[in-house]
This record gives sequence, C-alpha cells and structure tokens, in this order.
Amino acid sequence: GAVVSQHPSWVICKSGTSVKIECRSLDFQATTMFWYRQFPKQSLMLMATSNEGSKATYEQGVEKDKFLINHASLTLSTLTVTSAHPEDSSFYICSALAGGSYNEQFFGPGTRLTVL
Amino acid sequence: AQKVTQAQTEISVVEKEDVTLDCVYETRDTTYYLFWYKQPPSGELVFLIRRNSFDEQNEISGRYSWNFQKSTSSFNFTITASQVVDSAVYFCALSERYSGYALNFGKGTSLLVTP
Repeated sequence: GAVVSQHPSWVICKSGTSVKIECRSLDFQATTMFWYRQFPKQSLMLMATSNEGSKATYEQGVEKDKFLINHASLTLSTLTVTSAHPEDSSFYICSALAGGSYNEQFFGPGTRLTVL
Repeated sequence: AQKVTQAQTEISVVEKEDVTLDCVYETRDTTYYLFWYKQPPSGELVFLIRRNSFDEQNEISGRYSWNFQKSTSSFNFTITASQVVDSAVYFCALSERYSGYALNFGKGTSLLVTP
C-alpha cells in the first residue's frame, strides 16, 4: 500500500512556542490531505481538510489562526501549531487521499505533541 | 450528532474466545465507505478493512470477519479465536462523498485479551 510519513514522530516544546508537523505522501500524489487530533483515551477528530493550492477547510471549533495548514505541493502538507499551550498536547495524525476511483486514504504514523 | 456509534467501550475476553465488536452508522449519502482500524498502544493506525456502500458482501480474512448490513446500518467486526496480540483499541469509521471522504470515527472499543 501507499506510504505516508509524518515528521517529527514526537515533539516536546515549551508553552508559547510554535511547532510544525509535516505530512508527506511518499509514493503517490495527494490533492487532499486530512489532519486529525486525538486526545488521550479519546477518538480521532477531524481538524481540517487540506487541499493542494487552496486554503484549508477547518472543522467547527478548530481555530484556523492557531492551527496553520499549508498544502504547497501534491506530496506535502504541514500543520503549524502556533503559540502552543499545554491543552494543545495531543496526538496529531494526517492522512492522504489517493484519489482515483477507490478514494483510498492512507494514514501517517502520527506525531505526539507535548507542550510543557 | 454521532455518525458512528460503537456502543462497547471496553471488552475483556480470554484468549481463544470469539469476540464481536459492534458498529452502527448513520448517513444520508448513497455513496459511502466504512472502515475498521486497529490502534495498538504505539498509536499508529492499522488499516483492517474498507467497504463501500454498494458492496454488502461479508468478508473474512484469517481470524477476522466483517458483517455489513445496510438494513440495520451496521458493520460489525468479529475476531475468532482471539489472541493476546489482538489487544488494542478498534475504531469503526465512516467516509462520505458529500464530506470529501474525511473519516468520521466512532469512539472506539478497547479490547483486552488475556491469556
């Protein structure tokens, strides 16, 4: 199957700093990527839909000025958590939509963010 | 409103028992997909199966089987002869055409298989 990578796999930062997470589709092009967030012992919740070359679409309750998404190429989407606070500590997972007739979606391994 | 309901929060079984994880979904879309994922403690999602709305055939893969019934909007997952390595959180998810195929996850069922 197709491979999606995320970098970094984990990050610890101080409160008030910004953190960038990269999501790459390694062997296919993805016009659409999704970003999900998972708090401990909870389910995955969609944060935003990232489309190549256009602005991301955010889910209700997700601050677009805090979670900046850039999808500058068909293989890369980035999520920047600006001025991170402890409540932003979570597991962030991206997925890439392969498109075609099957619309297969492939997940990255996730990034665990801890804000001190 | 919750579109995917996994009523079982936690299930504990003894090794070699069969176990069924329930999933009920809700959609108005005629084209949709249903998924099951396994999430071990490492956090990485492991894809198990994808089913589209036009294919109601049940599927078996080794010890795993899935029962898709549109009449009851259910997509249940059965593990036969469970093993300790099956211990994980299992998520059922729905993907709809009108929402751009983003996944809507259930709350997950935590399965513990003890020796």
